[in-house]
Amino acid sequence: AQSVTQLGSHVSVSEGALVLLRCNYSSSVPPYLFWYVQYPNQGLQLLLKYTSAATLVKGINGFEAEFKKSETSFHLTKPSAHMSDAAEYFCAVSVGVNTGTASKLTFGTGTRLQVTL
Amino acid sequence: DGGITQSPKYLFRKEGQNVTLSCEQNLNHDAMYWYRQDPGQGLRLIYYSQIVNDFQKGDIAEGYSVSREKKESFPLTVTSAQKNPTAFYLCASSIDRGSGPDTQYFGPGTRLTVL
Repeated sequence: AQSVTQLGSHVSVSEGALVLLRCNYSSSVPPYLFWYVQYPNQGLQLLLKYTSAATLVKGINGFEAEFKKSETSFHLTKPSAHMSDAAEYFCAVSVGVNTGTASKLTFGTGTRLQVTL
Repeated sequence: DGGITQSPKYLFRKEGQNVTLSCEQNLNHDAMYWYRQDPGQGLRLIYYSQIVNDFQKGDIAEGYSVSREKKESFPLTVTSAQKNPTAFYLCASSIDRGSGPDTQYFGPGTRLTVL
């Protein structure tokens, strides 16, 4: 079974500072990894996903994440935070299947990002 | 525009009543999912469906029921057997090509409050 741990339920950064949101996964087979963002009272929007093609994945809104197998990590970063980045961020893991089974995601508990002036 | 719609956005229910949450997608996706979101717990899978007339229990199916009579629709019924139904409910869909996990696209959610 796979699992995800997000370190830090709340992260606060100053506008213009580096954003680093941590995600560690556990999976017995090569995983697919996702980062989603959620604004208040809205659904989730995909930021980026890792599917084994490249270890450094670039997403929307200037975010990127690096898959590190040796550290079982998939941390999300952005060089310069903007006020509009304030939201909740979820890391999720799924294992590859080839039998037509629907793609089951396991989510972390989320990290709320606060951006201050 | 293609997307996923959920209705209503806010729903209030008295204890002991069943209530049905709507989820419709026009993305021509094969698979559909229902998640429950509680503060500090992330999203937990309730039910999912790969094809019409077939669905599988997720991690927290007790007290919930679903149907999949049409490809584009996947309604969720919260029954009176669900002990703590107040939560934010999210519906999602994916293509499900069977060659690996496809991206799940989410609807805007329904916030259910039991009075």
